[in-house]
Amino acid sequence: QSALSQPASVSGSPGQSITISCTGTSSDVGGYKYVSWYQQHPGKAPKLVIYDVNNRPSGVSYRFSGSKSGNTASLTISGLQAEDEADYYCYSYTTTSLPVFGGGTKVTVL
Amino acid sequence: QVQLQEAGPGLVKPSETLSLTCIVSGGSMSGSSWSWIRQPAGKGLEWIARIHTNGNTNYNPSLKSRVTMSIDTSKNHFSLTLTSVTAADTAMYYCARGVLVGGTFHSWGQGTLVTVSS
Repeated sequence: QSALSQPASVSGSPGQSITISCTGTSSDVGGYKYVSWYQQHPGKAPKLVIYDVNNRPSGVSYRFSGSKSGNTASLTISGLQAEDEADYYCYSYTTTSLPVFGGGTKVTVL
Repeated sequence: QVQLQEAGPGLVKPSETLSLTCIVSGGSMSGSSWSWIRQPAGKGLEWIARIHTNGNTNYNPSLKSRVTMSIDTSKNHFSLTLTSVTAADTAMYYCARGVLVGGTFHSWGQGTLVTVSS
């Protein structure tokens, strides 16, 4: 299965909102509600921040939100903070039931 | 809170077999799926394989011929075997707990770095 498509980098100033896109097909992102997002700081394991398109796990800041339209899912970080600087990966369930990740997006806080 | 910890050799010689174990603590293995995911330095995440507590497995098609997973729920651990390794298999290897429906990875181990070199 092909990786989901994400922008290589996104940047924003503190306090701003940024959105990361994750584009797939009707066989993955467009076909299921099982889209999730993972935050990874350098040298650390990935951490789940959004699951099932728009649900936040306990303990994750309300500033993280998710949405989906057609074959594209999005992660929005509002009120950008320095601690949000990290790599972000999207994930989707697929028709083959095999997991697929996006290529990752580096978020820089200016 | 389920915790995962990877264990295995950090250095493997080319053409040999890589073996890793993930130890699960703080909860039952039932009701979840268990995966291995790797990440070469500076690159993205690659899902390798998944196993359920009934022993059913799924493998990434690109690695399927070289990968085997096993699980021992009585000892709360699961394992990965990757044969005929090359330098391209050098990566951080993570074990992760996934939900049965949809496969979202809710818990991750801290990762273990495996280097393939003679």
